Amino acid sequence: DAGVIQSPRHEVTEMGQEVTLRCKPISGHDYLFWYRQTMMRGLELLIYFNNNVPIDDSGMPEDRFSAKMPNASFSTLKIQPSEPRDSAVYFCASSYTGPNEQYFGPGTRLTVT
Amino acid sequence: AQSVTQPDIHITVSEGASLELRCNYSYGATPYLFWYVQSPGQGLQLLLKYFSGDTLVQGIKGFEAEFKRSQSSFNLRKPSVHWSDAAEYFCAVGPASGGYNKLIFGAGTRLAVHP
Repeated sequence: DAGVIQSPRHEVTEMGQEVTLRCKPISGHDYLFWYRQTMMRGLELLIYFNNNVPIDDSGMPEDRFSAKMPNASFSTLKIQPSEPRDSAVYFCASSYTGPNEQYFGPGTRLTVT
Repeated sequence: AQSVTQPDIHITVSEGASLELRCNYSYGATPYLFWYVQSPGQGLQLLLKYFSGDTLVQGIKGFEAEFKRSQSSFNLRKPSVHWSDAAEYFCAVGPASGGYNKLIFGAGTRLAVHP
């Protein structure tokens, strides 16, 4: 079975541009998590969904960040407008048991210049 | 407050030597416990998990971890390290039932392996 799929793997964009990160969870997993990883702050949970419904978005840093899950097999994380401090690796993870035993995707390395 | 502490930021061992990575947690209830490994440029991979029962749990790649409730610890061990084990290791705690509904990660321990 394929693992969590993320695209793109690398994204370089200029400040002010819109960025969309994509995630396909493991089939049958009804929890989906978005994380951000930086050297300074480590791994931060941004938002998570259960059955396509956002449950906790308290980690979303600002209104510039938004996430959607239109169906069980697809989610997006959008940053509009992007800023250099958004540069990080963004991970998507999925689970069938809730917050426990999450399976991570390979991540998207975002660089905002 | 819930937290996970990994006291060692960096550890260097020689190939073939034994390894122990420390993890201490603070959690209001009995937690579920996890170790993840992140190789350079990769996502996090689940190494092992503890839910209940035997406090010594076996994982993939020859790793094991021991849950010690009295010490609030869940240390990761490997008897003989291979060069391919060089990576960053994260300890995490999650809710066993209800309550706080997020996985809490430690800051990570970066392992270097000398030939």
